[in-house]
Amino acid sequence: EVQLVESGGGLVQPGRSLRLSCAASGFTFDDYAMHWVRQAPGKGLEWVSGISWNSGRRGYADSVKGRFTISRDNAKNSLYLQMNSLRAEDTALYHCVKSRGYYYDTSGYSFDYWGRGTLVTVSS
Amino acid sequence: QSLLTQPPSASGTPGQRVTISCSGSSSNIGRNTVHWYQHLPGTAPKLLIFSDNQRPSGVPDQFSGSKSGTSASLAISGLQSEDEADYYCAAWDDSLNAWVFGGGTKLTVL
Repeated sequence: EVQLVESGGGLVQPGRSLRLSCAASGFTFDDYAMHWVRQAPGKGLEWVSGISWNSGRRGYADSVKGRFTISRDNAKNSLYLQMNSLRAEDTALYHCVKSRGYYYDTSGYSFDYWGRGTLVTVSS
Repeated sequence: QSLLTQPPSASGTPGQRVTISCSGSSSNIGRNTVHWYQHLPGTAPKLLIFSDNQRPSGVPDQFSGSKSGTSASLAISGLQSEDEADYYCAAWDDSLNAWVFGGGTKLTVL
């Protein structure tokens, strides 16, 4: 059974940093791209970032480019999101998401499994 | 403002068939496949349809997807109370080099 368990969320002041982690199990982690997708309170889903199976390709939404960094450790079956210079508008539930394929930027590779998310609140 | 446009709400009675539309552009739906997700609040979203009209194993055939030009649709037949959820379409956007979602449609079973 595929399991994706996020951690690292919490309350943080604007301008500070936070690192999210995702522990994956139930599948061959290094065979698949991974993503972070967030949902702000009362809003819809927003893609944040994606990373290919071997970290060779990474991409970001314009709203987080230059502030967030996605990474993965295939030896530890883990995905990470380093979030710097946090803003109030980054407040959201952050989901760790598995791709159906190797690359994050291939249109046919939908997101097939989602974690329940970790909540990030940016507020003074 | 989402790049993919969905109606904010839809409704139907048990047993009825409802459709949810998703309108995009030539840089996303017009060139790339569309995927649909079901999200019940408090749970993890679930993949319903991938590559326009394919169902993952375990998803019942009451759910079906279609696409024409720059628009796509999700149809739900034999509506049941447990189908009450938020539904999202998504596609890769070649201009943004990013995944884009619709704003979501809240389905109510009356």
